[in-house]
Amino acid sequence: QSALTQPRSVSGSPGQSVTISCTGTSSDVGVYNYVSWYQQHPGKAPKLMIFDVNKRPSGVPARFSGSKSGNTASLTISGLQAEDEADYYCCSYAGSRVFGGGTKLTVL
Amino acid sequence: QVQLVQSGSELKKPGASVKVSCKASGYTFTSYAMNWVRQAPGQGLEFMGWINTDTGNPTYAQGFTGRFVFSLDTSVTTAYLQISSLKAEDAAVYYCASLGASFDYWGQGTLVTVSS
Repeated sequence: QSALTQPRSVSGSPGQSVTISCTGTSSDVGVYNYVSWYQQHPGKAPKLMIFDVNKRPSGVPARFSGSKSGNTASLTISGLQAEDEADYYCCSYAGSRVFGGGTKLTVL
Repeated sequence: QVQLVQSGSELKKPGASVKVSCKASGYTFTSYAMNWVRQAPGQGLEFMGWINTDTGNPTYAQGFTGRFVFSLDTSVTTAYLQISSLKAEDAAVYYCASLGASFDYWGQGTLVTVSS
């Protein structure tokens, strides 16, 4: 399986919204509703932010939301805060798991 | 509470082997598969595969066959990753993780350095 495609970087100012895309194929993102999103701060383990396309684990702020259309999943962060600056990875399950290449979010 | 605690950093010479451990606690070990994820320096997450903690059957992702072995010791609720014939490109942080929908827990990572 090839890695899912994410933009290398996105940025936004505090209070704004940003969306990170994750493009796969009709064999992974497009066919299964098993897309997760992880946040990773430098030197830390990844943290689950969204699972099953649009579900938030307990404790994750409602500012984080997920969606999917066709072969592309998206993570939207509204009301950006400084602590949201991190790397974000999507992950799809299609028999086996595959991660996206990661997106660096910069809060200006 | 659920915890995955990994063994400490390793410094190995090229050609050597390394065995990383992942001690699970706070849940029924055999209820969730254990996954392994690699992160090379400055790079993204790479899924290595998983092991069925009930049957012990491992499944390796593309690129992680041959030199990589997943194993278990259910008596001490611990999963292991062994890498043989280490190469410079194996230098990375290796994570164990449950990756089960909302049951998603990660170890703290183990840094493996390969240097002569």
